[in-house]
Amino acid sequence: SQQGEEDPQALSIQEGENATMNCSYKTSINNLQWYRQNSGRGLVHLILIRSNEREKHSGRLRVTLDTSKKSSSLLITASRAADTASYFCATDAGNAGNMLTFGGGTRLMVKP
Amino acid sequence: DGGITQSPKYLFRKEGQNVTLSCEQNLNHDAMYWYRQDPGQGLRLIYYSQIVNDFQKGDIAEGYSVSREKKESFPLTVTSAQKNPTAFYLCASSSGALVYTFGSGTRLTVV
Repeated sequence: SQQGEEDPQALSIQEGENATMNCSYKTSINNLQWYRQNSGRGLVHLILIRSNEREKHSGRLRVTLDTSKKSSSLLITASRAADTASYFCATDAGNAGNMLTFGGGTRLMVKP
Repeated sequence: DGGITQSPKYLFRKEGQNVTLSCEQNLNHDAMYWYRQDPGQGLRLIYYSQIVNDFQKGDIAEGYSVSREKKESFPLTVTSAQKNPTAFYLCASSSGALVYTFGSGTRLTVV
């Protein structure tokens, strides 16, 4: 089952611009995570934000979480061509098995 | 270095043939997972295992089988009952912190 839905599905920007991706989910969560996938590779964990946190930073990444709206956003500042990848949100709803549920992803292209 | 290894990187299957994808981790993680990813799509859960000798079906288990005889290993068999197996398969593992570590994937193609 797919709980998270990313928006937009695809995003194309110029190097140096900021990229914003959004994730909406349906049920209460314990935490929300963002992962990155380069083409043809596995996913790599970027950042985790807990349900009692509203904002978190890691380098050029900024994640916000609004539990009242059941939504999160990932902002990549001063983007680089190397940021070109797909980005997925994943939610931990504390369900049976304590598994993550992944969204469909946003495909980001950063043009040099 | 600790990590999770999937092999082979590319696999070709003939019609009616069973194939097994390997997934090995040395992270001492209890939980392991198999996902299927179709082009331009998200991840769909096939099977997961929280502990050795136990595993559970995910959302799309039909046509697949797994075993978990060792903590380090969680092989996935794609059986002939899976009518559309061409996809990218990802294995992952996690500890109690629930941050997943992924392998680099196996691309399976039916020929």
